[in-house]
Amino acid sequence: EAGVTQSPRYAVLQEGQAVSFWCDPISGHDTLYWYQQPRDQGPQLLVYFRDEAVIDNSQLPSDRFSAVRPKGTNSTLKIQSAKQGDTATYLCASSSANNQAPLFGEGTRLSVL
Amino acid sequence: GDSVTQTEGQVALSEEDFLTIHCNYSASGYPALFWYVQYPGEGPQFLFRASRDKEKGSSRGFEATYDKGTTSFHLRKASVQESDSAVYYCALGDQEGGRALIFGTGTTVSVSP
Repeated sequence: EAGVTQSPRYAVLQEGQAVSFWCDPISGHDTLYWYQQPRDQGPQLLVYFRDEAVIDNSQLPSDRFSAVRPKGTNSTLKIQSAKQGDTATYLCASSSANNQAPLFGEGTRLSVL
Repeated sequence: GDSVTQTEGQVALSEEDFLTIHCNYSASGYPALFWYVQYPGEGPQFLFRASRDKEKGSSRGFEATYDKGTTSFHLRKASVQESDSAVYYCALGDQEGGRALIFGTGTTVSVSP
């Protein structure tokens, strides 16, 4: 069974540039999470979906960040105008409806210069 | 709000030493508790979970027992190996899997040969 796939693995931007991250969850998993992990910190939830619906986006900086999961499968997280403080690893995870533990992808490591 | 506290930020051990990482939680309800391990350049890997008081979770020689009285879920391993060097995260979620996990700050374990 394929795991959670994320791309790209790395991104380097100047402040003000835009970037998109893509996530392909495990087949059959209805719940998809995006976490931000600053260096030497634990993962912090940004947003999560059940199928195509947003369940919680209260921690997503809505002025610059957006996330979609239009068909309830793949998802895209976008940063409109990156800031140095956005430097972190962005992790995608998925889980199934029967309360399995979320499983993570390898993450996208973002550096904003 | 709910939270997870990991007391040790860093732990340095020699091979065959006994490992303990302390995890305490604060939650309004009856949470499910999780341990994850993260190696450099990878996403967190699920180790195990426990859902009820006195339940023991275990995997790869690691174990932890859910203690509702002391609100704890301490991770232990009897004899560590160099390959156990990684960052370990305690996390909490709800019983039904209806919300995203809340992670602790992580404990970096370094095992020397």
